[in-house]
Amino acid sequence: GQNIDQPTEMTATEGAIVQINCTYQTSGFNGLFWYQQHAGEAPTFLSYNVLDGLEEKGRFSSFLSRSKGYSYLLLKELQMKDSASYLCAGMDSNYQLIWGAGTKLIIKP
Amino acid sequence: GAVVSQHPSRVICKSGTSVKIECRSLDFQATTMFWYRQFPKQSLMLMATSNEGSKATYEQGVEKDKFLINHASLTLSTLTVTSAHPEDSSFYICSASGDREWYEQYFGPGTRLTVT
Repeated sequence: GQNIDQPTEMTATEGAIVQINCTYQTSGFNGLFWYQQHAGEAPTFLSYNVLDGLEEKGRFSSFLSRSKGYSYLLLKELQMKDSASYLCAGMDSNYQLIWGAGTKLIIKP
Repeated sequence: GAVVSQHPSRVICKSGTSVKIECRSLDFQATTMFWYRQFPKQSLMLMATSNEGSKATYEQGVEKDKFLINHASLTLSTLTVTSAHPEDSSFYICSASGDREWYEQYFGPGTRLTVT
């Protein structure tokens, strides 16, 4: 079956760095997505990885290892506004997104 | 760019009535639209995928006669929850993909449906 695993909740300190891990099992693979979702709002796109390696975009970076079925989202210089849920989603061979349950990130001053 | 709107943002209706939710792509043509529902503290659950001008493809377990989806144009899709019941209360989110980056789905702001 298809499955996305990510931690339920993480806590970090303002100004610090946090890494949110995601492992995936999909039928075929057409990329790995990370979305940010604030409470009561719709998700917003953060990143898309289809090749192995690290993609850096400002304070956010995303990493993919296809052989390990593993990705992580790295957030640097954490700000209070980064408190949100972070959703990992894998795209299968039918180009359908398989969503993880999300990781709630709590930022403390 | 790539803005998707949803209307209404919140709706409260009585059990047994029907509710229509609109999803519009404001600045691009959405060849494909997706409808999701999300329960508190849970992930997005895909309900159906619709392509402009054709019938929607429903996910297993989603009743197509209860959740009517129409994608009549490249900028508008509607979801009608027919004969709503309290268990249909949820956060409904649409997303659209189209003539921009093929892999990216742009999400609407969501509609909070409460059935009393």
